[in-house]
Amino acid sequence: QVQLQESGPGLVKPSQTLSLTCAVSGGSISRGDYYWSWIRQHPGKGLEWIGYILYTGSTYYSPSLKSRVTISVDTSKNQFSLKLGSVTAADTAVYYCSRAEGSSDAFDIWGQGTMVTVSS
Amino acid sequence: QSALTQPPSVSGSPGQSVTISCTGTSSDVGGYNRVSWYQQPPGTVPKLIIYEVSNRPSGVPDRFSGSKSGSTASLTISGLQAEDEANYYCSSYRSGGAYVVFGGGTKLTVL
Repeated sequence: QVQLQESGPGLVKPSQTLSLTCAVSGGSISRGDYYWSWIRQHPGKGLEWIGYILYTGSTYYSPSLKSRVTISVDTSKNQFSLKLGSVTAADTAVYYCSRAEGSSDAFDIWGQGTMVTVSS
Repeated sequence: QSALTQPPSVSGSPGQSVTISCTGTSSDVGGYNRVSWYQQPPGTVPKLIIYEVSNRPSGVPDRFSGSKSGSTASLTISGLQAEDEANYYCSSYRSGGAYVVFGGGTKLTVL
């Protein structure tokens, strides 16, 4: 059973870069039929797709965040990462990593989520 | 990018049926069968309950069903149970950049 676990700082200062990692266990990140994804949820709000990456390194980003987002993959460590630059208080949210099935874009497995607060 | 449009809230009594709509455009819901639905009770992680418009993952009760007409997808929950009380989100692939968009979410209250 594939499991995902996010890790990273829970507090980031404004204008700095938010960095999170998602460790994949119980299966290989190198399966070609899945996209490894980041999704966030602002407090009390809905879900927002940030972007995803294929094990080959191909990336797809939300147009609204594209200028500040980088998603990368490390197949040797079976993990993928998110970097979001120039953060503001508006980036305070729960960040989830998730697995999307390639042909359906259905997010079938989710991490537990990690709360990131942007504050000085 | 604008989200898919969902009603903010719906409600129903135990045993009844409710339907939640998800309206998009020909660039997303109307153009592709890559529509999914997620259930998120308060304080929990979202759970996939419908994929590819109408398919249920293993373990999801058949009380949950999905459909699509034009650019509007729908989730129907029949035989409502108290445990169905949650927020429900739709998502779809959107062309013109190849990305995913979520609906704003619908809060289901079981009366």
